Amino acid sequence: EAGVAQSPRYKIIEKRQSVAFWCNPISGHATLYWYQQILGQGPKLLIQFQNNGVVDDSQLPKDRFSAERLKGVDSTLKIQPAKLEDSAVYLCASSSRQGNSYEQYFGPGTRLTVT
Amino acid sequence: GQSLEQPSEVTAVEGAIVQINCTYQTSGFYGLSWYQQHDGGAPTFLSYNALDGLEETGRFSSFLSRSDSYGYLLLQELQMKDSASYFCAVRLRDNYGQNFVFGPGTRLSVLP
Repeated sequence: EAGVAQSPRYKIIEKRQSVAFWCNPISGHATLYWYQQILGQGPKLLIQFQNNGVVDDSQLPKDRFSAERLKGVDSTLKIQPAKLEDSAVYLCASSSRQGNSYEQYFGPGTRLTVT
Repeated sequence: GQSLEQPSEVTAVEGAIVQINCTYQTSGFYGLSWYQQHDGGAPTFLSYNALDGLEETGRFSSFLSRSDSYGYLLLQELQMKDSASYFCAVRLRDNYGQNFVFGPGTRLSVLP
């Protein structure tokens, strides 16, 4: 089966600009996660969707970050305006309730550099 | 808050055995996962423990003690390709949307 797809793979922007990341999860996976991974740290959950509903967005900086998952399939994460501290890899992951539902499948990530 | 601790770095030689520990203090606990991440790559799932004891999958084993809030990943017959970062992750909720919090990661270097 095809894995989790993300685009773009790399993005360089100036502070105060806006940026958007796209994720397409594995077909049939109802749960979708966006993580922020700063260099040398573990992934930090930003937002979790169940189908097209938000399950947890407690760590999402809502003054500048937004995310949506229309139709319960692919998802977009947006940052507006970006700050220097937003430089990180943004990982999308998905999981299924069937089989080993505790396994998250991660995409390759988008490496964001804010200058 | 949620707190997970792991050693920051571990070094071992090819063919050796290495143990990566993880201790946690979290508001909820339903299980412990381990993920491997090579530089520039995506995290990949290694194991999940919900109950106390040892789970073995090939060269990798994972252990959990819920009473001690402690787990470890055991890697045997180390190979160069095992050089990577390893993350433990605690499953916080027992519902349809499993929510995980990740540890800071342990960087494993395997020397020839």
